[in-house]
Amino acid sequence: QQPVQSPQAVILREGEDAVINCSSSKALYSVHWYRQKHGEAPVFLMILLKGGEQKGHEKISASFNEKKQQSSLYLTASQLSYSGTYFCGTGVSNDYKLSFGAGTTVTVRA
Amino acid sequence: EAGVVQSPRYKIIEKKQPVAFWCNPISGHNTLYWYLQNLGQGPELLIRYENEEAVDDSQLPKDRFSAERLKGVDSTLKIQPAELGDSAVYLCASSLGSDLLNTGELFFGEGSRLTVL
Repeated sequence: QQPVQSPQAVILREGEDAVINCSSSKALYSVHWYRQKHGEAPVFLMILLKGGEQKGHEKISASFNEKKQQSSLYLTASQLSYSGTYFCGTGVSNDYKLSFGAGTTVTVRA
Repeated sequence: EAGVVQSPRYKIIEKKQPVAFWCNPISGHNTLYWYLQNLGQGPELLIRYENEEAVDDSQLPKDRFSAERLKGVDSTLKIQPAELGDSAVYLCASSLGSDLLNTGELFFGEGSRLTVL
C-alpha cells in the first residue's frame, strides 16, 4: 500500500520554508526521498533508515519517526531550483520494494 | 558517466497496436527496474531484474506486457496490444546493488511517454 503525502501542492516565495509529510500504514524500515522536475527523471535526495535519524542535503533535510511511521522533508530558505514534485518511497522489512507516494508539487516563485 | 538512457522519449499509437520501449542502464548496474508512472502519481514497479533474471514480475500484466533483458544489460518492455489505459510514462531505473532498502539509490531514466489513441 502506497504512503500518503501531504500537502498535494505548495507554492512558496524564494526564502520561505515548507514541510512535506509522508505517512504509512505499515511499519517502515526506510524512507527514500526523490525530486522530479517536469519532464525529467526523478532524482534521489536522501535515504533515512529506522532509528529516527535526520539527514540533510544542502538546505533540504528530513526526519523519520518510525514509531509514527512518518517522515517529513524540510525545505529551508527555498530557492527557485527547489521547484518540482517530491516523492517519498517507503520500504518495509523483508520486502525490497519501494512504494512511492503520489507526490507533492512544490512551486517556488521569485 | 552516462545516466540511464531510454528510448523513445515519446510514442503515440492507436489502440491495439504494439509498442516497445528500450532501456540502457548505467554501466555496472546489475539491477534494473521498469516502473509505470500515471499522471499525478508516483512510480509503480512493474518488473525487476537481477542481471538477466526477472526476480519480481508480480506487478506486470502478463496478458499484454512482456519484458526481457537478454544479456543482463539492455532491457526492452513491450506492450501488445496497447489499450487506452496504458497511456502513461514508463520509467526505467537501475541500481548498483539489490539492497535498495538500506543503501539503495535508484537512478532513473527520463522515461518514455506513451499516448494511446
